[in-house]
Amino acid sequence: QVQLVESGGGVVQAGGSLRVSCAASGFTFSSFGFHWVRQAPGKGLQWIAFIWYDGSEKRYVDLVKGRFTISRDNAKNTVYLQMDSLRQEDTAVYYCAKDAGPLSSGWYYFDYLGQGTLVSVSS
Amino acid sequence: QSVLTQPPSVSGAPGQRVTISCTGTRTNIGAGYDVHWYQQLPRGAPKLLIYGNSNRPSGVPDRFSGSKSGTSASLAITGLQPEDEADYYCQSYDSFLSADVVFGGGTKLTVL
Repeated sequence: QVQLVESGGGVVQAGGSLRVSCAASGFTFSSFGFHWVRQAPGKGLQWIAFIWYDGSEKRYVDLVKGRFTISRDNAKNTVYLQMDSLRQEDTAVYYCAKDAGPLSSGWYYFDYLGQGTLVSVSS
Repeated sequence: QSVLTQPPSVSGAPGQRVTISCTGTRTNIGAGYDVHWYQQLPRGAPKLLIYGNSNRPSGVPDRFSGSKSGTSASLAITGLQPEDEADYYCQSYDSFLSADVVFGGGTKLTVL
């Protein structure tokens, strides 16, 4: 069965950096793109970034461009989100989400999401 | 302020039918992009409920159905059950805004 397991969350000071990871299993990892979606405490869902199945293309929401970097290691079946210059408003649960479209530029919806990892940015 | 507009809350008694609306614009739903729905149970992660406007993933009961028309979409839940109490989010693609993927603000369903 498909499993997405996020890790690496924690408490970090504003201006600091953190890298969260998503270990995937149960499907052909290298055939699918991945997204990161976050949810601030008590708030709704917000899309953050997307990486193609082969890593050749990456997309970001404007408010994280230049601060966050999505990457993947197909040998380790793992997706990463490197977060730099963190702000208090980046405090959220970060979910890894599998794109539903195989070997494509993305179908832009998520057939599986992980349980999330909490990132807290303090002042 | 979310790009897609949903009512903050809906409620219904067990066995009843409820609908949740999702209104977009000409750069997302109105541009012909599909709408997808997610269910988030209390303290849980979001789970895909409806994809491609009206399709159910394997394992989702047929009590859940989706539709789309123009710049809007709807999620209908019939035969409400207590375990349906959750937050529901609509999602689409946007061709103009700074975010490729846009969500509704979420609707809290309360089963009375």
